[in-house]
Amino acid sequence: SQTIHQWPATLVQPVGSPLSLECTVEGTSNPNLYWYRQAAGRGLQLLFYSVGIGQISSEVPQNLSASRPQDRQFILSSKKLLLSDSGFYLCAWQTGMNTEAFFGQGTRLTVV
Amino acid sequence: GENVEQHPSTLSVQEGDSAVIKCTYSDSASNYFPWYKQELGKRPQLIIDIRSNVGEKKDQRIAVTLNKTAKHFSLHITETQPEDSAVYFCAASVKAAGNKLTFGGGTRVLVKP
Repeated sequence: SQTIHQWPATLVQPVGSPLSLECTVEGTSNPNLYWYRQAAGRGLQLLFYSVGIGQISSEVPQNLSASRPQDRQFILSSKKLLLSDSGFYLCAWQTGMNTEAFFGQGTRLTVV
Repeated sequence: GENVEQHPSTLSVQEGDSAVIKCTYSDSASNYFPWYKQELGKRPQLIIDIRSNVGEKKDQRIAVTLNKTAKHFSLHITETQPEDSAVYFCAASVKAAGNKLTFGGGTRVLVKP
């Protein structure tokens, strides 16, 4: 069966520090991968999506970047965090062709 | 790109009553419409979905309806229970756009015992 792993679960980082969040999927090949951010009490904002290795589409201009170095690995990064980067970050995957999106457990990031 | 509007943002119902959440979408090419439930501090999980070739789908106390002409779809929860309290998100996706899901802003549902 397919599973998605996302870590860490919580993170407190100072302003100006770097960020690296990792997401891996098991049990499937060539998934579509997504990074979403959810501000407190708000909806899900799509940050990046990827349909294949090295293929990244950015949805909104921001302080973040994403990479997909392997088929089932998706990384969210920042060189210098801002206070406004705080939020709940969710990785998700789909097999494509309008199917259910499965979410990771999420990372609650607090920038202080 | 796709834009999904969701209403209401909060909904309080008495246990046993029905709850209805409505969403509209902008891209007529959207063809997949899932609904997710998110409990506090947890990941969203799919509760029901509908594709554009179907007008209605039901799963026990949950039903979804789709009106392609008007570009809106709705979630209906009957006989609500306290465990239905959560945030519900609608979404729409277009096959041609990498199947990416565009989510509505969410509805916080509170079921009062």
